[in-house]
Amino acid sequence: GESVGLHLPTLSVQEGDNSIINCAYSNSASDYFIWYKQESGKGPQFIIDIRSNMDKRQGQRVTVLLNKTVKHLSLQIAATQPGDSAVYFCAENPFSGTYKYIFGTGTRLKVLA
Amino acid sequence: GAVVSQHPSRVICKSGTSVKIECRSLDFQATTMFWYRQFPKKSLMLMATSNEGSKATYEQGVEKDKFLINHASLTLSTLTVTSAHPEDSSFYICSARDLAGELFFGEGSRLTVL
Repeated sequence: GESVGLHLPTLSVQEGDNSIINCAYSNSASDYFIWYKQESGKGPQFIIDIRSNMDKRQGQRVTVLLNKTVKHLSLQIAATQPGDSAVYFCAENPFSGTYKYIFGTGTRLKVLA
Repeated sequence: GAVVSQHPSRVICKSGTSVKIECRSLDFQATTMFWYRQFPKKSLMLMATSNEGSKATYEQGVEKDKFLINHASLTLSTLTVTSAHPEDSSFYICSARDLAGELFFGEGSRLTVL
């Protein structure tokens, strides 16, 4: 069935370096993607989204890249800070017109001081 | 930004009892809310879509008689885990969609069944 997966379960990054979290999706019909951050014991927080008619979108310190050819999504965090330590999920919406999202397995980002 | 509140944040109950979890949109109306389940170190799994004034739509494999969902108002959806057993222990998260279509998540409710 359709699935969204992440390449790395854990990513350790030195404080101040850039982080890149990757995600592969399998449903070519997905037209909307979101990255969420989840801190321990809390609900997911929206970080950034991107529609399928775009290949790049920038926010504050974050950039999402979408490569529809290979069905790949990435989240880049610039100048990673200790507060960025969390689990990051990508989510896709393959059900156009609904708000039912399929979540990836998650990547834990550890920021080293 | 919009706030979605869940209550209780933590609950411990005995096996066989029922537990109700509330999800409230505090400053917006939500015609649609979603309930997710999350196991430790795992991703969110959509359980059901809660629609105000109508029956919830459950995902495949989710027992509707086990997980009762009620969306009685535009700001409140409840999830009741009936006759809870230890395997129902999990982190339950709700999300609510505002009129603009943006999705906001609650802080989650951790259920432990002894």
